[in-house]
Amino acid sequence: GNSVTQMEGPVTLSEEAFLTINCTYTATGYPSLFWYVQYPGEGLQLLLKATKADDKGSNKGFEATYRKETTSFHLEKGSVQVSDSAVYFCALSPQSRGKSTFGDGTTLTVKP
Amino acid sequence: DAMVIQNPRYQVTQFGKPVTLSCSQTLNHNVMYWYQQKSSQAPKLLFHYYDKDFNNEADTPDNFQSRRPNTSFCFLDIRSPGLGDAAMYLCATSGLASQETQYFGPGTRLLVL
Repeated sequence: GNSVTQMEGPVTLSEEAFLTINCTYTATGYPSLFWYVQYPGEGLQLLLKATKADDKGSNKGFEATYRKETTSFHLEKGSVQVSDSAVYFCALSPQSRGKSTFGDGTTLTVKP
Repeated sequence: DAMVIQNPRYQVTQFGKPVTLSCSQTLNHNVMYWYQQKSSQAPKLLFHYYDKDFNNEADTPDNFQSRRPNTSFCFLDIRSPGLGDAAMYLCATSGLASQETQYFGPGTRLLVL
């Protein structure tokens, strides 16, 4: 079956530090890959997505590149802010109709 | 703005007392999902509807039921809540095509006393 493995947290960074959250996946075919973010007390919201190999998703300074050869979709941001503190979920949606698979989430805390 | 709305945001119930959580959407999406999430863990899918076609996950307890009377509304019924059912319940929607983005509501946090 499909699976998503995320870097374990929690991650604590100082403001303006560089962020990487690793995500690798197992799936057949060509799934779409997503990063969702969940702020305290809220639902998940889409941060970025990529639908095919070598696609780069980007939003709000975050980026992730769909790497088919390493089955990875690592999330990066060059300079984090306190407002980026949240839980980040990597997810995949299979090529054929089927349920999405979520990683276990990585909690990011950014300190001023 | 088009959105997914969940009511109430917080729900307190007693052990064994039935409770219903509601979700509505203005996105006109055909697919609706109910997830259970505990302590910022990965959301766990309970059910989903492709339009009126109901899909139950194999490990969803019988204590959980769902209704979708029309495209816009979906309900989660917990017939006899136990302490272990205390969690955040997330409703989400998406289009019918595969690999669509899911749009989540803000969630209902259920407390069982």
